[in-house]
Amino acid sequence: DAMVIQNPRYQVTQFGKPVTLSCSQTLNHNVMYWYQQKSSQAPKLLFHYYDKDFNNEADTPDNFQSRRPNTSFCFLDIRSPGLGDAAMYLCATSRVSGGMETQYFGPGTRLLVL
Amino acid sequence: AQKITQTQPGMFVQEKEAVTLDCTYDTSDPSYGLFWYKQPSSGEMIFLIYQGSYDQQNATEGRYSLNFQKARKSANLVISASQLGDSAMYFCAMRVLNSGNTPLVFGKGTRLSVIA
Repeated sequence: DAMVIQNPRYQVTQFGKPVTLSCSQTLNHNVMYWYQQKSSQAPKLLFHYYDKDFNNEADTPDNFQSRRPNTSFCFLDIRSPGLGDAAMYLCATSRVSGGMETQYFGPGTRLLVL
Repeated sequence: AQKITQTQPGMFVQEKEAVTLDCTYDTSDPSYGLFWYKQPSSGEMIFLIYQGSYDQQNATEGRYSLNFQKARKSANLVISASQLGDSAMYFCAMRVLNSGNTPLVFGKGTRLSVIA
């Protein structure tokens, strides 16, 4: 009964080789988020989708893109990964309905760039 | 802007003892929510407990309770009867409730180690 699923759990890519991380959810939540978390740091929000509306954080590098083809799926594309992009990537979802909502996270994808 | 401060980079607690993880926050918005998440070494962020700014009572969820002191802007997490499985990174986070979908702001985390 997994609710937020991320695949793969571990991803190894080469410097400059595009990579796509995926996230799916069974909660029917209207908001999906992507966070980057480097070792011993707090998660950093990259962007989020509110339904189909894409919201990019001001300091998210152009190298990072996202797609949300439907309510259940969201993808993170890293066009040309650098060594500094090695991190844990966390997907989260929430249902925004006027009040305060809780974000539920997936297990994360640990990205290694060689 | 919102800010979360967790002043304890690491904490140790004896198994079966209680432990308090500190969290202070800063915001000028009157309506906000405070969250605690647990992150084991596997990496998943696990939601533990939530406290709303207008809630009159402190939140409790099983062995977790939130000591909410609004005037001091603190939202400390208390874990009672610590277990070895409680060893993890703990993050305090907040989100203000205003127009639009505001982001969740995290503190830097506290690493809790439970010793037998």
